[in-house]
Amino acid sequence: IAGITQAPTSQILAAGRRMTLRCTQDMRHNAMYWYRQDLGLGLRLIHYSNTAGTTGKGEVPDGYSVSRANTDDFPLTLASAVPSQTSVYFCASSDSTAGGRDTQYFGPGTRLTVL
Amino acid sequence: GQNIDQPTEMTATEGAIVQINCTYQTSGFNGLFWYQQHAGEAPTFLSYNVLDGLEEKGRFSSFLSRSKGYSYLLLKELQMKDSASYLCAVRDGDYKLSFGAGTTVTVRA
Repeated sequence: IAGITQAPTSQILAAGRRMTLRCTQDMRHNAMYWYRQDLGLGLRLIHYSNTAGTTGKGEVPDGYSVSRANTDDFPLTLASAVPSQTSVYFCASSDSTAGGRDTQYFGPGTRLTVL
Repeated sequence: GQNIDQPTEMTATEGAIVQINCTYQTSGFNGLFWYQQHAGEAPTFLSYNVLDGLEEKGRFSSFLSRSKGYSYLLLKELQMKDSASYLCAVRDGDYKLSFGAGTTVTVRA
C-alpha cells in the first residue's frame, strides 16, 4: 500500500507560469487536504475536500485552486505562480466518516521554488 | 484565527526526558494531535487527545487540559532518532486542523 503519493518531488518554476501539483491516495479516504509549510509558520491549510465533488477554502487559498473529480486524486493548481508561493506543499487525507480521531495522513511533500 | 503556541527549540541529552508544551485558543475544540516531523520528511501521527488526562504510548505520552487550553507531549528515554520537529495541532469547531509552528528537539549524545 503506497498511502499518499505526490508529484513532483521538487520543482523550480518561473514566476507567471502555471503549475499543477499532483496528489493521489489509495486508502479510500473521503477527505483530502492541501497545506503549505513555511519556516516559522507551521502548516497552513490551503484548500480541502470533504468528499469527491466538493471543495472548500482553507486559511490561505488565494492564488490556488483545487478539484476533486474522484476519491483518489486531489490536484492543486497555481494559475500564475509568484515568488511568495515558494514553499513545501503537503497533501493529506483522512477518513472523516469514521468519527472520533479522524487522523490525517500526509504525503511526502513537494518542494516548490518560484523565481 | 486560531492561536497555537509551542516553544521553538529544545535540547536534551540521550536517555533524558523532555516535555513539549502547547497552549491553544481556538474557535471550538474537537481534539488535539501531536505529529512528529523529521527534517525533509512528512509529518507522522503520534498521539490524539480529546478528553482531559494522559494518554501513554510507549516512550511517548500526551496530556490534555481543555479548561486550560493546554497540552504537553512527554518524550522519555530519549534516543538520537527522536531529534525532529514536533507539531501540536488542534481540530477546531469546524473540524479543521490548525497547527502550531512546531518545536525542534535536538538530542545530544
